[in-house]
Amino acid sequence: NAGVTQTPKFQVLKTGQSMTLQCAQDMNHEYMSWYRQDPGMGLRLIHYSVGAGITDQGEVPNGYNVSRSTTEDFPLRLLSAAPSQTSVYFCASSYSIRGNTEAFFGQGTRLTVV
Amino acid sequence: QQPVQSPQAVILREGEDAVINCSSSKALYSVHWYRQKHGEAPVFLMILLKGGEQKGHDKISASFNEKKQQSSLYLTASQLSYSGTYFCGTEIYSGYSTLTFGKGTMLLVSP
Repeated sequence: NAGVTQTPKFQVLKTGQSMTLQCAQDMNHEYMSWYRQDPGMGLRLIHYSVGAGITDQGEVPNGYNVSRSTTEDFPLRLLSAAPSQTSVYFCASSYSIRGNTEAFFGQGTRLTVV
Repeated sequence: QQPVQSPQAVILREGEDAVINCSSSKALYSVHWYRQKHGEAPVFLMILLKGGEQKGHDKISASFNEKKQQSSLYLTASQLSYSGTYFCGTEIYSGYSTLTFGKGTMLLVSP
């Protein structure tokens, strides 16, 4: 049982480039989300999904797109990378959209935009 | 809106106790606690529901005061393995649940 798998683990981008951070879970979880973690800021919600075909914005959505075509996958797209998007990105999944269930986190993607 | 955690950092000697607090300005459905070690993903510790229940996990326990929208994490007889950053996450139920995290409390346990 792999849990939540994120790829890549590390990435360096040039300003203006685009890329997709991959996230996959094999626990049949309804709820998936993306967070970014910056020093002293904690984990901030970018986008989330409550099921296939349903996504919504979190606290810091600008510059990011998501889609959820299957229950398992929830990719995060950076449309035109900016230095302000240098961060560690975590994908998380939970069993239920109703809350009250633990979040399982992937190992993170460390992104540097130069 | 992010919950507020205090203190920002704690330094302990092995065997000492610590309390980490988490407060919100909004009515909460539940409070989560996670621990993150350096370079790793956050790991779930426990969930508390409204109703003021207290939970425990080994020598780590937590409480949730629904009236004050506050939760506290209690670390008793701390061990070296307790070192890390602790995050509280709060849920405000509105149909769908989203988890909003505080900025974290860094805990360092020394021998």
